[in-house]
Amino acid sequence: QQQVKQSPQSLIVQKGGISIINCAYENTAFDYFPWYQQFPGKGPALLIAIRPDVSEKKEGRFTISFNKSAKQFSLHIMDSQPGDSATYFCAASNNNDMRFGAGTRLTVKP
Amino acid sequence: GAGVSQSPSNKVTEKGKDVELRCDPISGHTALYWYRQSLGQGLEFLIYFQGNSAPDKSGLPSDRFSAERTGGSVSTLTIQRTQQEDSAVYLCASSLGGPYHEQFFGPGTRLTVL
Repeated sequence: QQQVKQSPQSLIVQKGGISIINCAYENTAFDYFPWYQQFPGKGPALLIAIRPDVSEKKEGRFTISFNKSAKQFSLHIMDSQPGDSATYFCAASNNNDMRFGAGTRLTVKP
Repeated sequence: GAGVSQSPSNKVTEKGKDVELRCDPISGHTALYWYRQSLGQGLEFLIYFQGNSAPDKSGLPSDRFSAERTGGSVSTLTIQRTQQEDSAVYLCASSLGGPYHEQFFGPGTRLTVL
């Protein structure tokens, strides 16, 4: 069964716009929520991560919002750039058991 | 040092053949993971090694799939009697182990079963 549900499957945003990707999880034991970015032909790379003791984490143009009661978290990309075009995966883990969402293919149009 | 490396980068095989995929993790990383990424799909967990502990094989899709990790370093994923539905990118990742540690991914092996 899919333990982490991610939406949308694909997203097209104009340059300068805000990209928003949402994830929801089932297992309340998850205690670490990273986002990975993957470019074509490459393996995923960690972008930003959050623990459930905070509701928001911001790194540059990237922000994670976390809602523990709703078991949801989201990635916001401000001032989206064509170089942000990639596939984004949310994940949730408990110790070393990490489960990934299905991915969102983001295209930022110039 | 170098990142996670995987070989081969591409593998084309005929249905029914066995294949071996190799992963060299980052030196010093005690945890090693294998994932499968099918076209347009997410990352499907296959197997996890942590130090000398028994591996977590809960994600292996069938008994045709097996993996080993020798000397706590290099890992090999073996698929026996390959089927067309095994076609995917197989990704390896390593980490320092324990909670909250980043997984570093290799570039993957693209397997095509004809």
